[in-house]
Amino acid sequence: DTGVSQDPRHKITKRGQNVTFRCDPISEHNRLYWYRQTLGQGPEFLTYFQNEAQLEKSRLLSDRFSAERPKGSFSTLEIQRTEQGDSAMYLCASSSKRGAISGANVLTFGAGSRLTVL
Amino acid sequence: AQKVTQAQTEISVVEKEDVTLDCVYETRDTTYYLFWYKQPPSGELVFLIRRNSFDEQNEISGRYSWNFQKSTSSFNFTITASQVVDSAVYFCALSEAWGAQKLVFGQGTRLTINP
Repeated sequence: DTGVSQDPRHKITKRGQNVTFRCDPISEHNRLYWYRQTLGQGPEFLTYFQNEAQLEKSRLLSDRFSAERPKGSFSTLEIQRTEQGDSAMYLCASSSKRGAISGANVLTFGAGSRLTVL
Repeated sequence: AQKVTQAQTEISVVEKEDVTLDCVYETRDTTYYLFWYKQPPSGELVFLIRRNSFDEQNEISGRYSWNFQKSTSSFNFTITASQVVDSAVYFCALSEAWGAQKLVFGQGTRLTINP
């Protein structure tokens, strides 16, 4: 198992363009998360999937952002009409759902996709 | 709402010194989890420890130790005999016990270990 993979690692785009990031989680993990990290800050939660269902979205996820996980495996995060404020590292993480008694699962993070909007 | 505060933005020490990274959290939940993650220059967050709110025992793993005190809502991390390879940004995080279990991160402490 090679861990969580993200592609591309770096993306530079002009304002107004659309960008798409891909995340391949650990194969046996059924939960997938997207976080955003700006310079000097901790990661902030964006959205979460359990299998193919998107169960929660943060208010940070404006209508220009859309995430999918069509077959419950890889996920894509698309940003339409990018703005300079979208410049950040987009982190994907995955985990397996444990039983209700055992509680919180540990997230395994990918190396991130760094977006620069000019 | 949940919140994590890491008041130390940057710490710089000389190799072999001990260093403690502070973490203070806020939550209304009675059941929750606390985490520490390390982010080296490569960018990938590396899991270090998870602690649930019912387990206040301190933990030691090699040169790393964690002190969880519910009375002060703190979960501090100490590195003993620091090494240059410990240089990274360290994040403390909090999650709810049920549901999405999304992490709420502090802003991180950049630790530099000088040779």
